[in-house]
Amino acid sequence: QQQVKQSPQSLIVQKGGISIINCAYENTAFDYFPWYQQFPGKGPALLIAIRPDVSEKKEGRFTISFNKSAKQFSLHIMDSQPGDSATYFCAAREGTPLVFGKGTRLSVIA
Amino acid sequence: GAGVSQSPSNKVTEKGKDVELRCDPISGHTALYWYRQSLGQGLEFLIYFQGNSAPDKSGLPSDRFSAERTGGSVSTLTIQRTQQEDSAVYLCASRLRWDSRSYEQYFGPGTRLTVT
Repeated sequence: QQQVKQSPQSLIVQKGGISIINCAYENTAFDYFPWYQQFPGKGPALLIAIRPDVSEKKEGRFTISFNKSAKQFSLHIMDSQPGDSATYFCAAREGTPLVFGKGTRLSVIA
Repeated sequence: GAGVSQSPSNKVTEKGKDVELRCDPISGHTALYWYRQSLGQGLEFLIYFQGNSAPDKSGLPSDRFSAERTGGSVSTLTIQRTQQEDSAVYLCASRLRWDSRSYEQYFGPGTRLTVT
């Protein structure tokens, strides 16, 4: 079964708007929640990550909000730019390999 | 420094042939992972090497898949008797330490495998 559920599958946002991508999980043993950004033809690159003892983490225009009781976490991209157009993956870790969501294709239009 | 490199970048093969995919991790990284990314899907874990320990092969989808890591550095993923459902992008990632003090995985650009 899918351990990390990501939504939406695709997202279109106007330049300057806020992009929000959500993920939900069931396994309470997960202890690390990264978000990866992937451009076509490239491997995923770590964007931002959070641990479950923190409810929010911000790095520049990117913010992770984490709700431990609801077992949900989300990525917010403020002031979205066309250069942010990419596929975003949430992930979670228990032990060693990461468990990934299915990805969200974000398109930021001018 | 150099990132994770993978070769070839693209591979087209006929059904039934064997293929080898190569990964060069970042120098000094002790942990190495292989993932598979199919169209419209997330990344699916295949195998994990940690230092000199036995690899975690729990994600390999069938016995046609195998991987080795020589000298704690370069890794080769081998797919025998390829099937069309093996068509995907195969991604390699490395991590500085295998223990819990370092979480970030650095991905290579992937090898796009097409089985005809």
